[in-house]
Amino acid sequence: GENVGLHLPTLSVQEGDNSIINCAYSNSASDYFIWYKQESGKGPQFIIDIRSNMDKRQGQRVTVLLNKTVKHLSLQIAATQPGDSAVYFCAENLEAGDDKIIFGKGTRLHILP
Amino acid sequence: SQTIHQWPATLVQPVGSPLSLECTVEGTSNPNLYWYRQAAGRGLQLLFYSVGIGQISSEVPQNLSASRPQDRQFILSSKKLLLSDSGFYLCAWRAGGRTGELFFGEGSRLTVL
Repeated sequence: GENVGLHLPTLSVQEGDNSIINCAYSNSASDYFIWYKQESGKGPQFIIDIRSNMDKRQGQRVTVLLNKTVKHLSLQIAATQPGDSAVYFCAENLEAGDDKIIFGKGTRLHILP
Repeated sequence: SQTIHQWPATLVQPVGSPLSLECTVEGTSNPNLYWYRQAAGRGLQLLFYSVGIGQISSEVPQNLSASRPQDRQFILSSKKLLLSDSGFYLCAWRAGGRTGELFFGEGSRLTVL
Protein backbone atom coordinates (compact mmCIF):
# COMPACT_ATOMS: atom_id res chain seq x y z
CA GLY A 1 0.00 0.00 0.00
CA GLU A 2 0.99 3.62 0.04
CA ASN A 3 3.50 4.78 2.67
CA VAL A 4 1.98 8.17 3.07
CA GLY A 5 1.78 8.14 6.87
CA LEU A 6 5.51 7.83 7.49
CA HIS A 7 7.92 10.72 8.06
CA LEU A 8 10.43 11.02 5.27
CA PRO A 9 13.84 9.42 5.79
CA THR A 10 16.82 11.71 5.15
CA LEU A 11 19.97 10.99 3.19
CA SER A 12 22.90 13.34 3.80
CA VAL A 13 25.57 13.48 1.10
CA GLN A 14 28.70 15.56 0.71
CA GLU A 15 28.64 17.98 -2.20
CA GLY A 16 30.41 16.40 -5.16
CA ASP A 17 29.79 12.83 -4.03
CA ASN A 18 27.35 10.46 -5.69
CA SER A 19 23.92 9.92 -4.15
CA ILE A 20 21.95 6.70 -4.21
CA ILE A 21 18.28 6.82 -3.28
CA ASN A 22 16.44 3.54 -2.91
CA CYS A 23 12.81 2.56 -3.27
CA ALA A 24 10.93 -0.69 -2.79
CA TYR A 25 7.78 -1.08 -4.83
CA SER A 26 4.85 -3.23 -3.93
CA ASN A 27 3.32 -4.82 -7.01
CA SER A 28 5.23 -7.33 -9.11
CA ALA A 29 2.84 -6.58 -11.98
CA SER A 30 3.90 -2.92 -12.17
CA ASP A 31 5.46 -2.21 -15.52
CA TYR A 32 6.41 1.45 -15.45
CA PHE A 33 8.36 3.42 -12.86
CA ILE A 34 9.11 7.09 -12.43
CA TRP A 35 11.36 9.19 -10.23
CA TYR A 36 10.26 12.66 -9.16
CA LYS A 37 11.99 15.52 -7.40
CA GLN A 38 10.00 17.83 -5.16
CA GLU A 39 11.34 21.11 -3.85
CA SER A 40 9.74 22.74 -0.85
CA GLY A 41 6.28 24.14 -1.54
CA LYS A 42 6.23 23.02 -5.17
CA GLY A 43 4.74 20.22 -7.21
CA PRO A 44 6.89 17.19 -8.04
CA GLN A 45 9.01 17.36 -11.20
CA PHE A 46 9.79 14.43 -13.46
CA ILE A 47 13.39 13.24 -13.39
CA ILE A 48 13.57 9.93 -15.24
CA ASP A 49 11.46 6.87 -15.96
CA ILE A 50 12.02 3.22 -16.78
CA ARG A 51 9.88 0.42 -18.15
CA SER A 52 9.92 -3.09 -16.79
CA ASN A 53 11.63 -4.49 -19.88
CA MET A 54 14.78 -2.57 -18.91
CA ASP A 55 17.04 -2.79 -15.87
CA LYS A 56 18.98 0.44 -16.31
CA ARG A 57 18.41 3.82 -17.87
CA GLN A 58 20.65 6.87 -17.86
CA GLY A 59 19.92 10.54 -18.09
CA GLN A 60 21.94 13.64 -17.48
CA ARG A 61 23.77 12.99 -14.18
CA VAL A 62 21.08 10.48 -13.15
CA THR A 63 20.75 6.73 -13.54
CA VAL A 64 17.80 4.56 -12.59
CA LEU A 65 18.27 0.87 -11.83
CA LEU A 66 15.43 -1.61 -11.68
CA ASN A 67 15.65 -5.02 -10.01
CA LYS A 68 12.40 -6.82 -10.67
CA THR A 69 13.45 -9.90 -8.73
CA VAL A 70 13.42 -8.05 -5.42
CA LYS A 71 11.07 -5.25 -6.52
CA HIS A 72 13.67 -2.57 -5.97
CA LEU A 73 14.32 0.70 -7.71
CA SER A 74 17.22 3.08 -7.20
CA LEU A 75 18.14 6.57 -8.37
CA GLN A 76 21.79 7.48 -8.64
CA ILE A 77 22.78 11.13 -8.87
CA ALA A 78 26.34 11.78 -9.94
CA ALA A 79 28.41 14.65 -8.49
CA THR A 80 25.67 15.88 -6.19
CA GLN A 81 25.13 19.65 -6.19
CA PRO A 82 23.37 21.99 -3.73
CA GLY A 83 20.49 22.30 -6.18
CA ASP A 84 19.83 18.58 -5.79
CA SER A 85 18.51 19.18 -2.28
CA ALA A 86 14.89 18.08 -2.39
CA VAL A 87 12.58 15.19 -1.62
CA TYR A 88 12.74 12.34 -4.10
CA PHE A 89 9.81 10.02 -4.79
CA CYS A 90 9.54 6.86 -6.81
CA ALA A 91 6.22 6.01 -8.40
CA GLU A 92 4.84 2.85 -9.95
CA ASN A 93 2.15 2.24 -12.52
CA LEU A 94 0.10 -0.65 -11.25
CA GLU A 95 -0.41 -3.12 -14.05
CA ALA A 96 -0.24 -2.56 -17.74
CA GLY A 97 -3.18 -0.47 -18.91
CA ASP A 98 -4.14 0.63 -15.41
CA ASP A 99 -4.20 4.36 -14.91
CA LYS A 100 -3.27 4.49 -11.22
CA ILE A 101 0.12 5.86 -10.34
CA ILE A 102 1.13 5.16 -6.76
CA PHE A 103 3.97 6.96 -5.00
CA GLY A 104 6.51 5.59 -2.55
CA LYS A 105 7.26 7.25 0.77
CA GLY A 106 9.98 9.60 -0.45
CA THR A 107 13.51 10.39 0.69
CA ARG A 108 14.84 13.81 1.65
CA LEU A 109 18.26 14.47 0.15
CA HIS A 110 20.39 16.87 2.17
CA ILE A 111 23.62 18.17 0.65
CA LEU A 112 26.49 18.85 3.03
CA PRO A 113 28.88 21.69 2.04
CA SER B 1 2.80 23.17 -25.12
CA GLN B 2 0.73 21.72 -22.33
CA THR B 3 0.16 23.57 -19.07
CA ILE B 4 -1.70 22.77 -15.89
CA HIS B 5 -3.21 25.31 -13.53
CA GLN B 6 -4.72 24.80 -10.13
CA TRP B 7 -6.24 27.30 -7.75
CA PRO B 8 -6.39 28.70 -5.22
CA ALA B 9 -2.73 28.40 -4.27
CA THR B 10 -3.46 28.80 -0.57
CA LEU B 11 -6.65 28.50 1.39
CA VAL B 12 -7.55 28.81 5.07
CA GLN B 13 -10.94 27.44 5.95
CA PRO B 14 -12.84 26.78 9.19
CA VAL B 15 -13.90 23.26 10.16
CA GLY B 16 -17.27 22.43 8.65
CA SER B 17 -16.99 24.81 5.72
CA PRO B 18 -17.16 23.66 2.08
CA LEU B 19 -14.19 23.30 -0.25
CA SER B 20 -13.66 23.64 -3.95
CA LEU B 21 -10.26 23.28 -5.61
CA GLU B 22 -10.06 23.58 -9.36
CA CYS B 23 -7.59 22.27 -11.89
CA THR B 24 -7.46 22.82 -15.63
CA VAL B 25 -5.13 21.51 -18.30
CA GLU B 26 -4.38 23.29 -21.56
CA GLY B 27 -2.78 22.12 -24.76
CA THR B 28 -3.97 18.53 -24.73
CA SER B 29 -7.20 16.59 -25.07
CA ASN B 30 -8.63 13.61 -23.20
CA PRO B 31 -5.97 13.60 -20.49
CA ASN B 32 -6.02 11.38 -17.43
CA LEU B 33 -6.44 13.64 -14.40
CA TYR B 34 -5.39 13.01 -10.80
CA TRP B 35 -5.77 14.52 -7.34
CA TYR B 36 -3.13 13.74 -4.70
CA ARG B 37 -2.83 14.96 -1.13
CA GLN B 38 0.40 15.44 0.76
CA ALA B 39 0.48 15.97 4.52
CA ALA B 40 3.39 18.05 5.84
CA GLY B 41 6.67 16.16 5.52
CA ARG B 42 5.03 13.05 4.14
CA GLY B 43 4.35 11.20 0.90
CA LEU B 44 1.73 11.63 -1.84
CA GLN B 45 -1.60 9.91 -1.37
CA LEU B 46 -3.73 9.28 -4.44
CA LEU B 47 -7.26 10.55 -3.81
CA PHE B 48 -9.04 10.42 -7.17
CA TYR B 49 -8.29 9.87 -10.82
CA SER B 50 -10.31 10.24 -13.97
CA VAL B 51 -9.89 8.84 -17.47
CA GLY B 52 -12.74 10.82 -19.01
CA ILE B 53 -15.62 13.24 -18.47
CA GLY B 54 -17.82 12.07 -15.63
CA GLN B 55 -15.56 9.08 -14.88
CA ILE B 56 -14.12 9.26 -11.37
CA SER B 57 -12.23 6.56 -9.49
CA SER B 58 -11.94 7.06 -5.73
CA GLU B 59 -8.99 5.60 -3.89
CA VAL B 60 -9.60 6.63 -0.31
CA PRO B 61 -12.98 6.76 1.48
CA GLN B 62 -13.34 10.21 3.03
CA ASN B 63 -15.44 13.34 2.99
CA LEU B 64 -13.93 14.55 -0.27
CA SER B 65 -15.37 14.15 -3.76
CA ALA B 66 -14.16 14.88 -7.27
CA SER B 67 -15.88 15.83 -10.48
CA ARG B 68 -14.86 16.21 -14.09
CA PRO B 69 -17.47 18.38 -15.78
CA GLN B 70 -15.32 19.08 -18.83
CA ASP B 71 -12.53 17.22 -20.59
CA ARG B 72 -9.73 19.30 -19.12
CA GLN B 73 -11.27 20.36 -15.81
CA PHE B 74 -10.98 18.46 -12.53
CA ILE B 75 -12.57 19.70 -9.31
CA LEU B 76 -11.99 18.53 -5.75
CA SER B 77 -14.78 19.30 -3.30
CA SER B 78 -15.99 18.82 0.21
CA LYS B 79 -19.29 19.73 1.83
CA LYS B 80 -17.81 19.93 5.35
CA LEU B 81 -14.09 20.14 5.99
CA LEU B 82 -12.37 18.30 8.83
CA LEU B 83 -9.13 19.28 10.56
CA SER B 84 -7.53 16.22 9.01
CA ASP B 85 -8.21 17.58 5.53
CA SER B 86 -5.35 20.07 5.93
CA GLY B 87 -2.55 19.43 3.49
CA PHE B 88 -1.00 20.16 0.15
CA TYR B 89 -3.27 19.14 -2.73
CA LEU B 90 -1.73 18.39 -6.07
CA CYS B 91 -3.46 18.03 -9.40
CA ALA B 92 -1.70 16.14 -12.17
CA TRP B 93 -2.33 14.97 -15.72
CA ARG B 94 -0.88 12.57 -18.19
CA ALA B 95 -1.72 11.64 -21.74
CA GLY B 96 -4.66 9.28 -21.87
CA GLY B 97 -4.43 5.82 -23.33
CA ARG B 98 -0.70 5.27 -22.93
CA THR B 99 1.98 4.96 -20.31
CA GLY B 100 3.81 8.12 -19.43
CA GLU B 101 4.85 10.40 -16.64
CA LEU B 102 2.55 12.66 -14.64
CA PHE B 103 2.80 16.41 -14.93
CA PHE B 104 1.94 18.23 -11.74
CA GLY B 105 0.46 21.60 -10.97
CA GLU B 106 1.99 23.87 -8.38
CA GLY B 107 -0.32 22.70 -5.62
CA SER B 108 -2.95 24.17 -3.31
CA ARG B 109 -2.13 24.45 0.36
CA LEU B 110 -5.21 24.00 2.53
CA THR B 111 -5.26 24.80 6.23
CA VAL B 112 -8.37 23.85 8.16
CA LEU B 113 -8.74 25.63 11.51
